[in-house]
Amino acid sequence: KQEVTQIPAALSVPEGENLVLNCSFTDSAIYNLQWFRQDPGKGLTSLLLIQSSQREQTSGRLNASLDKSSGRSTLYIAASQPGDSATYLCAVGWKIEGWGKLQFGAGTQVVVTP
Amino acid sequence: ETGVTQTPRHLVMGMTNKKSLKCEQHLGHNAMYWYKQSAKKPLELMFVYSLEERVENNSVPSRFSPECPNSSHLFLHLHTLQPEDSALYLCASSQLTGGGTGELFFGEGSRLTVL
Repeated sequence: KQEVTQIPAALSVPEGENLVLNCSFTDSAIYNLQWFRQDPGKGLTSLLLIQSSQREQTSGRLNASLDKSSGRSTLYIAASQPGDSATYLCAVGWKIEGWGKLQFGAGTQVVVTP
Repeated sequence: ETGVTQTPRHLVMGMTNKKSLKCEQHLGHNAMYWYKQSAKKPLELMFVYSLEERVENNSVPSRFSPECPNSSHLFLHLHTLQPEDSALYLCASSQLTGGGTGELFFGEGSRLTVL
């Protein structure tokens, strides 16, 4: 059974500092990995999707890396801003019986202080 | 309308009521999902529909009944719920390709409170 862990559970940084969020998974036979952002009481917003054949994906200030052999993905957010305060979740996808499954981590709650 | 829309955004119901949650996706995707998000717990997959056929029922109690009349609409019918069913219910859609889920897009969620 795939297990997904996100450490730390919470993180507080001053504005301007770079954010490093970690996601680890137990089974390296993954199809893809997706990073999401969730604001309080809201749905999830997709940030980046990394296919299993890729090592990283970038979008603006966001960069996500994937190392399947070590079962890790890291989300980097450069020059953090107060608007980056949210919970960040990773989800690991794998194939099963003709479609796919996703396993979510519990998330890292981020607070960026002005 | 764009993306994935869910209604109602908030719902309060008694244990004997019957209500429904609605989800509509405007992305042309072929798969739709219901997730449950409770406080301090990871997202739990409830149901998956691929091309309007249910492909996953993740041991969900029968008091939750999904319906997918077409590839754009998904419902979750609720009856005789328990207070522990209070949670944020999230709908998502994706395009299934080559056996994987593809990129998931979520709605804003329906916050359910069972009294």
